Amino acid sequence: NAGVTQTPKFQVLKTGQSMTLQCAQDMNHEYMSWYRQDPGMGLRLIHYSVGAGITDQGEVPNGYNVSRSTTEDFPLRLLSAAPSQTSVYFCASRGYGYQETQYFGPGTRLLVL
Amino acid sequence: DAKTTQPPSMDCAEGRAANLPCNHSTISGNEYVYWYRQIHSQGPQYIIHGLKNNETNEMASLIITEDRKSSTLILPHATLRDTAVYYCIVRDDKKGGAQKLVFGQGTRLTINP
Repeated sequence: NAGVTQTPKFQVLKTGQSMTLQCAQDMNHEYMSWYRQDPGMGLRLIHYSVGAGITDQGEVPNGYNVSRSTTEDFPLRLLSAAPSQTSVYFCASRGYGYQETQYFGPGTRLLVL
Repeated sequence: DAKTTQPPSMDCAEGRAANLPCNHSTISGNEYVYWYRQIHSQGPQYIIHGLKNNETNEMASLIITEDRKSSTLILPHATLRDTAVYYCIVRDDKKGGAQKLVFGQGTRLTINP
């Protein structure tokens, strides 16, 4: 199993540009989520999904859209990038049972100029 | 989910046991204690979790006080590769789809040679 994969690893955007951060997992996990981590800070939840076709907001959802058309993929879209979105983005997945371990991807470093 | 309090930083000598404390005085009966760590801006890595009994696995031991208001993560023989930020997280696994991990600031553990 590849686990949780994220692309790209690093991206530079100009203010106002849009882009999609890709996340995929091959563990047949129902639950997937996106976090952002600013320098020196803990992770904050952006959006999450409990299955294909179902998404919900986390604590910092503004400026981000998500969709979940398949179990494997959970892309994060920035419609109009802002410097405040400069951060490291982590995708995670876990099974739906009790006490399931959450697995994290390697992260995408995003710089918005 | 209950909030947790951890010291911002700790040091430990290589080969000694590292004991990382966590306070969760508002924990409720259904909430589990989870520990994750993040090495050098990689994605967080699961370490261990428990409800009320002490737990041990190949990575660490988790000691939970009888009143469950605090816990200690123990790395029995710390190595330089254990230098990381350690997060203590409390979560109710019986909340169905709301299986979110809320990360605080964590403890930055430095293992010294």
